Amino acid sequence: KQEVTQIPAALSVPEGENLVLNCSFTDSAIYNLQWFRQDPGKGLTSLLLIQSSQREQTSGRLNASLDKSSGRSTLYIAASQPGDSATYLCAVRPLPGANSKLTFGKGITLSVRP
Amino acid sequence: KAGVTQTPRYLIKTRGQQVTLSCSPISGHRSVSWYQQTPGQGLQFLFEYFSETQRNKGNFPGRFSGRQFSNSRSEMNVSTLELGDSALYLCASSYRDITEAFFGQGTRLTVV
Repeated sequence: KQEVTQIPAALSVPEGENLVLNCSFTDSAIYNLQWFRQDPGKGLTSLLLIQSSQREQTSGRLNASLDKSSGRSTLYIAASQPGDSATYLCAVRPLPGANSKLTFGKGITLSVRP
Repeated sequence: KAGVTQTPRYLIKTRGQQVTLSCSPISGHRSVSWYQQTPGQGLQFLFEYFSETQRNKGNFPGRFSGRQFSNSRSEMNVSTLELGDSALYLCASSYRDITEAFFGQGTRLTVV
């Protein structure tokens, strides 16, 4: 059974800092990994999708990496801003087959202090 | 293009009642999945539909059911509501079951 872990559960940083959010998963047989952002009481916004054959993806100040063999992904946020304050979740998709559901971590709640 | 639309955004129901939530996926997307989010359990998978067929189901009691229509819109129904059903219900849309998932804003269900 796939398990996804995100540690720590919460993180507070000063504005302008570069930071790394970690995600680990137990089963390396994944098809892709997706990072999401969730603002309080809202839905999930897709940030980046990495296919299992890729090592990283970039979008603006965000860079996500994937090391499938070690079961790890990181989300790098450059020059953090107060508007980046939100919960960040990673989710893995298994290989095509009987069950294609996303398995989520519990998320990391990020607070960027002005 | 329009995103995933979930209605209603908020619901307050009494124990024992039933409720129906609706999800309209992104145009052209045929896969719709439903998740329940609670502070304690995080995001848990309910079920997934593709071209009107339920392909996967999570570990939820039979009180939770769903369906998908020919236009890919989906509904989920919860019967005999319990206090523990209070949660944010999220719908995800994707072109296929393995492609990028896009979520709606969710329906906040409160059972009193």
